[in-house]
Amino acid sequence: EVQLVESGGGLVQPGRSMKLSCAASGFTFNNYDMAWVCQAPKKGLEWVATISYDGSSTYYRDSVKGRFTISRDNAKSTLYLQMDSLRSEDTATYYCARRRMDAWGQGASVTVSS
Amino acid sequence: DIQMTQSPSSMSASLGDRVTITCRASQDIGNYLSWFQQKPGKSPRRMIYGATNLAAGVPSRFSGSRSGSDYSLTISSLESEDMAIYYCLQSIQYPNTFGAGTKLELK
Repeated sequence: EVQLVESGGGLVQPGRSMKLSCAASGFTFNNYDMAWVCQAPKKGLEWVATISYDGSSTYYRDSVKGRFTISRDNAKSTLYLQMDSLRSEDTATYYCARRRMDAWGQGASVTVSS
Repeated sequence: DIQMTQSPSSMSASLGDRVTITCRASQDIGNYLSWFQQKPGKSPRRMIYGATNLAAGVPSRFSGSRSGSDYSLTISSLESEDMAIYYCLQSIQYPNTFGAGTKLELK
């Protein structure tokens, strides 16, 4: 069974950093491009970033470029999202997903507030 | 960026009704269009991919179609478990973009 399990969310002050992790199991992780998608409270879905299967290519939405970094450790079957210089508007549930969005994690809640 | 204009934003329908939700792409996206269902407090679930392909485990009452730059999700006979918010997504180009969502409620 394909499983994606996020961790690392919580409350963080504006300007600070937070790192999300997504542990993958049930499939060959290093064969798949992966993505992060976020959803602000009571709002719609927004694509955040994508990383290629080998980590050689990354893509970001404009609002997070230069602040967020997507990465992966294929030996650990784990996806990461390093979030720096956090803003209140980054408050959201962050989902990891396979790039084709055919498998999703349960989501990690991030609240940016003083 | 490619804009996905989704309509309606909300709708109410009765059990057994035929329901159609539409997304219009601002640029050519070929068939790089997926549909997702999201229930309250749950992660999204992919229902349709490649504009017309039913995802694994999705009931056959769901279908996807394309007419030019208009993409549609149809539920042929609405069931109570279908009440949810539905989103379209284009994945031909970065940034990938979702439609704003359609909230489907029971009349």
